[in-house]
Amino acid sequence: GAVVSQHPSWVICKSGTSVKIECRSLDFQATTMFWYRQFPKQSLMLMATSNEGSKATYEQGVEKDKFLINHASLTLSTLTVTSAHPEDSSFYICSASNRGIGYGYTFGSGTRLTVV
Amino acid sequence: SQELEQSPQSLIVQEGKNLTINCTSSKTLYGLYWYKQKYGEGLIFLMMLQKGGEEKSHEKITAKLDEKKQQSSLHITASQPSHAGIYLCGADNPGTYKYIFGTGTRLKVLA
Repeated sequence: GAVVSQHPSWVICKSGTSVKIECRSLDFQATTMFWYRQFPKQSLMLMATSNEGSKATYEQGVEKDKFLINHASLTLSTLTVTSAHPEDSSFYICSASNRGIGYGYTFGSGTRLTVV
Repeated sequence: SQELEQSPQSLIVQEGKNLTINCTSSKTLYGLYWYKQKYGEGLIFLMMLQKGGEEKSHEKITAKLDEKKQQSSLHITASQPSHAGIYLCGADNPGTYKYIFGTGTRLKVLA
């Protein structure tokens, strides 16, 4: 079955630093990847959709300059939280898809980010 | 844009009781997925429903899709503490190529 690997699973960083989260599709080529954010007691909110080789489409209210998304290859997408602040502390999860070849939505295991 | 509203928002039941969670879409559903999760952990895929009237069961969990009502329901029979967690419905929109989640239902089962 389809497998998506997300790293790191948890990270603690200092305020003002940047953090990169990787999302890899291990056994299929993902034409589309999604990034979500989840706060405690809340659902998963779509942050952005990225298609390989093109710029990510961000949801309303998500700062493009703060959450940099790169989908440079069909198996890798990265989310970089720039100049992180405590309010960026959250659970981030990615999803990879290639509907053209029958791969629906496979989710990574998520990354818990804590900014101190 | 499409929205998925879940009800109830939270639920506390005694062990052994049955319960139902609903997911209502603001737009036509082309498929509906159900997941279970605990905050800070990955998603556990439960079921996928694609056709109107479709019903699937796994162990004590049954899900139905009512396309006309743009709604799906998840029913748990004889709940157990192991059923506790956040239940999320998810759906994609072929028009926008986005995959979104419902507002979530937090379930607590008292032993």
